Amino acid sequence: GAGVSQSPSNKVTEKGKDVELRCDPISGHTALYWYRQRLGQGLEFLIYFQGNSAPDKSGLPSDRFSAERTGESVSTLTIQRTQQEDSAVYLCASSLGRLSNYGYTFGSGTRLTVV
Amino acid sequence: GQNIDQPTEMTATEGAIVQINCTYQTSGFNGLFWYQQHAGEAPTFLSYNVLDGLEEKGRFSSFLSRSKGYSYLLLKELQMKDSASYLCAVRLTGANNLFFGTGTRLTVIP
Repeated sequence: GAGVSQSPSNKVTEKGKDVELRCDPISGHTALYWYRQRLGQGLEFLIYFQGNSAPDKSGLPSDRFSAERTGESVSTLTIQRTQQEDSAVYLCASSLGRLSNYGYTFGSGTRLTVV
Repeated sequence: GQNIDQPTEMTATEGAIVQINCTYQTSGFNGLFWYQQHAGEAPTFLSYNVLDGLEEKGRFSSFLSRSKGYSYLLLKELQMKDSASYLCAVRLTGANNLFFGTGTRLTVIP
């Protein structure tokens, strides 16, 4: 597609439930990132995928968080047993590679609210 | 670790010039990016600097001094639509991701 597409745009879930967030990157972009943006805070790196290489999971805050990506296509971020501190906007971004000088193209994000 | 600092908020008048500063303390610097983020929307790429000096793009310019760990984004002829958050992000050698500051929320007033 023309841009990075994320779904759902908004998600309200009860504490303890699992949620799955989806990201469809720009076709041809080999690098895909997930970031989290809490209210009033900077973007927090979660995970990075590059082609078929092993992902960089160094930013995942706990083992309740996991993500998958098949090849250079869609990625899903799963949060198990959600907690109120997981409430944030989850942003997906893609780029031609981690060293691209054109930065990332971000999706519009999924606003997650845990009640 | 890395530390990236930006002012939290700024206000400027329509038609004026505003400079948004970003300072960083990092190891292995390999480029600095500026993004614009309107409320409730995705961040969009504005500029990239890896060498010292000024990069100009229309009304927006970005400056970098690697020796001082300092960058600024200069916005000229401010318009109301420039009201947004401006995010500074640093790329480090060997790192897969960008490291973002907390952003500067700019309000343009008539």
